[in-house]
Amino acid sequence: SQQGEEDPQALSIQEGENATMNCSYKTSINNLQWYRQNSGRGLVHLILIRSNEREKHSGRLRVTLDTSKKSSSLLITASRAADTASYFCATANQAGTALIFGKGTTLSVSS
Amino acid sequence: SAVISQKPSRDICQRGTSLTIQCQVDSQVTMMFWYRQQPGQSLTLIATANQGSEATYESGFVIDKFPISRPNLTFSTLTVSNMSPEDSSIYLCSANGGSERGYTFGSGTRLTVV
Repeated sequence: SQQGEEDPQALSIQEGENATMNCSYKTSINNLQWYRQNSGRGLVHLILIRSNEREKHSGRLRVTLDTSKKSSSLLITASRAADTASYFCATANQAGTALIFGKGTTLSVSS
Repeated sequence: SAVISQKPSRDICQRGTSLTIQCQVDSQVTMMFWYRQQPGQSLTLIATANQGSEATYESGFVIDKFPISRPNLTFSTLTVSNMSPEDSSIYLCSANGGSERGYTFGSGTRLTVV
């Protein structure tokens, strides 16, 4: 079952613009992770934010976490055509072992 | 972090047949995970595979349909049995890369059942 919702489902922007994706989840978490998937291929881990962190940066990525609202956002700054992909948030299942994924946001960056 | 080699990358199969997907990890991992991604959808966990024990299946998935083997700490297979067109999906394996590195995924198997 899906852990939560992401919005928007699809996002189209121009190169150089910023892209923001949001994720909501249902249960308490230890951490939340974001992944990217290019064209139905394998997923690539982008960033992990722990439940006691509010914001984390990695290169052009900024992730925020609001545990009181059970939500997270992923900001990609100065987007490039190569950022075109699907982005998923994920949290651990009840057993704390496997990842459960949100529905994902499909980002399209045009040059 | 661990690197996973998954094969085949794609296949077109006749209904009623079975396909076995293999994942090889370049380091020992305790748990491996199998996911299904139906067209245009997110990933759904099929099962968790531990070495030396039966896989743990999620609701809606059964061993007869998706038998899993985990003979050692670096290898796992998922078989999709008695396939129907509804089984057309991308199947992915995964392992925990540890701590901040997140989970590692195989490159996926795109299965089409005709």
